[in-house]
Amino acid sequence: GESVGLHLPTLSVQEGDNSIINCAYSNSASDYFIWYKQESGKGPQFIIDIRSNMDKRQGQRVTVLLNKTVKHLSLQIAATQPGDSAVYFCAETTHGSSNTGKLIFGQGTTLQVKP
Amino acid sequence: NAGVTQTPKFQVLKTGQSMTLQCAQDMNHEYMSWYRQDPGMGLRLIHYSVGAGITDQGEVPNGYNVSRSTTEDFPLRLLSAAPSQTSVYFCASSNRAAAFFGQGTRLTVV
Repeated sequence: GESVGLHLPTLSVQEGDNSIINCAYSNSASDYFIWYKQESGKGPQFIIDIRSNMDKRQGQRVTVLLNKTVKHLSLQIAATQPGDSAVYFCAETTHGSSNTGKLIFGQGTTLQVKP
Repeated sequence: NAGVTQTPKFQVLKTGQSMTLQCAQDMNHEYMSWYRQDPGMGLRLIHYSVGAGITDQGEVPNGYNVSRSTTEDFPLRLLSAAPSQTSVYFCASSNRAAAFFGQGTRLTVV
């Protein structure tokens, strides 16, 4: 079946460095992708999203890149801060007329920021 | 603006007991869904709803029932709790865009 997976379970970076978290997806019908941040004891929090008709989208300190050719998604965090320490999930869904609100999640990458 | 509210936050059940996890959203979202999250894993879809009166099964529906009588509420019912249902449960709502999640219910079945 379809799955969304992450390349690394844990990423450790120095405060102030840039972080790159990767995600591979397998459902070529997915046309909408979302990155979530989950802090300990909390629900997933929306970070940024991207539609399949785009290859890059920028937010505040975050950038999402989408490569549909190799079905790869990445989240870049600039100037990583201690508050960025969390588990990051990518999720995919179909955003068009068949949208049901269903999300398929990857396994998650734990980002550890060293002071 | 409360967003998505889940109650209770914590619950301990004995095997065989039943209970209902509550979820309410105040964003007038069409779509609501329930996920479970087990240690070291991503979220898995249990049930979802595309509007009042409409529900469907997700990836792991067995042992759970849902109903959607109003746009705002989407309760999840455990009919006869089993230890395998020990997990953290998240409710989410969306409106043809990214889903917003509640803070979760941590359920332990002993």
